[in-house]
Amino acid sequence: GQQVMQIPQYQHVQEGEDFTTYCNSSTTLSNIQWYKQRPGGHPVFLIQLVKSGEVKKQKRLTFQFGEAKKNSSLHITATQTTDVGTYFCARGSSNTGKLIFGQGTTLQVKP
Amino acid sequence: DAGVIQSPRHEVTEMGQEVTLRCKPISGHNSLFWYRQTMMRGLELLIYFNNNVPIDDSGMPEDRFSAKMPNASFSTLKIQPSEPRDSAVYFCASSFLAGELFFGEGSRLTVL
Repeated sequence: GQQVMQIPQYQHVQEGEDFTTYCNSSTTLSNIQWYKQRPGGHPVFLIQLVKSGEVKKQKRLTFQFGEAKKNSSLHITATQTTDVGTYFCARGSSNTGKLIFGQGTTLQVKP
Repeated sequence: DAGVIQSPRHEVTEMGQEVTLRCKPISGHNSLFWYRQTMMRGLELLIYFNNNVPIDDSGMPEDRFSAKMPNASFSTLKIQPSEPRDSAVYFCASSFLAGELFFGEGSRLTVL
């Protein structure tokens, strides 16, 4: 259906290690958005991917959209304690703006 | 811009009471969303409006929940009567032309 599945649900890493979260859909995605929610906070927009095979970078964060537009990933290089939080992918509708969120991946970083 | 403004930030009420959550979207945004977040169910889309018109309310749990958007700068989510299982953080978000969502700080509801 319209669900997007995220894995893993939780990830604990040592500061300096890399981290990757994956977002998968059984159907083709119009676009995918990524959000970060700090503990006790609200989701904050990170990026939107629209094109097949698209790769975007934001400092240590790399976002990819699969060639078939059915999956996406977020990779963080050399994690820092400030990266702690829950990362959500959300499938979007190109015409209505409706966004359905995945379950999120919660990242813990040990200093 | 002040961002999306929600009130109250926290509400504790007793089962059976009516709860009204309020949201002021960012000026100029044409879409407004209500989400509910719990540990078990994650971020669930309850309802969203485009140009003040409800487009999809399929996520509203049951008839106890209702949402209105009387004008472009105000929306309410009402629960009547409330039940303990309604305890959650309720987020309002707004966007412009199917772009990124801007979330409010959320309203944390506890129903005893």
